[in-house]
Amino acid sequence: AQSVTQLDSHVSVSEGTPVLLRCNYSSSYSPSLFWYVQHPNKGLQLLLKYTSAATLVKGINGFEAEFKKSETSFHLTKPSAHMSDAAEYFCVVSDRSGYALNFGKGTSLLVTP
Amino acid sequence: NAGVMQNPRHLVRRRGQEARLRCSPMKGHSHVYWYRQLPEEGLKFMVYLQKENIIDESGMPKERFSAEFPKEGPSILRIQQVVRGDSAAYFCASSRERPGHYIDEQYFGPGTRLTVT
Repeated sequence: AQSVTQLDSHVSVSEGTPVLLRCNYSSSYSPSLFWYVQHPNKGLQLLLKYTSAATLVKGINGFEAEFKKSETSFHLTKPSAHMSDAAEYFCVVSDRSGYALNFGKGTSLLVTP
Repeated sequence: NAGVMQNPRHLVRRRGQEARLRCSPMKGHSHVYWYRQLPEEGLKFMVYLQKENIIDESGMPKERFSAEFPKEGPSILRIQQVVRGDSAAYFCASSRERPGHYIDEQYFGPGTRLTVT
């Protein structure tokens, strides 16, 4: 079985400071991992995905994530937060089928001026 | 290029009524997925459909829930005789044809929030 744990339900950062959203996963095989973002009243948008290629994955809007197998982690980072980054972020692992996605409970990112 | 459309965005039903949730995939997408998000939980996979076929319904409750994706028209998630525990946000996603084992991106709609009173 596979699952994801997002270690923080809420994260607050100041504009211009780094963002770190933490995610740990468990899987009995080599998973595909994703980060999705959801802005209020909008659909979920894919930020980035890891599919067993490079362990450092670059996504949209300056986000990146590093796959660390030894730590079973896939943390999301951004060097400098913008106000527009305020949203709900979901760490996601695919199951063995490749299409059924398992979502974490989400981390709400607040960016203050 | 319109994204995945879901309607209604909000649906209120009394216990015992039927709920019908609609999903129109992105243009050119022939694969549809439904997910449910219960309060304080992450999204959970329910069912995967292609046109006129159910590929995987392993996440669907055994009773009262059904899904279809007809040759023409949107995909429908149908919940019969709703109960309070069905209150949740239901998300639809779509993707393009997946050659081989390529993990294609799923594009999500804004969700339908079902409230059962």
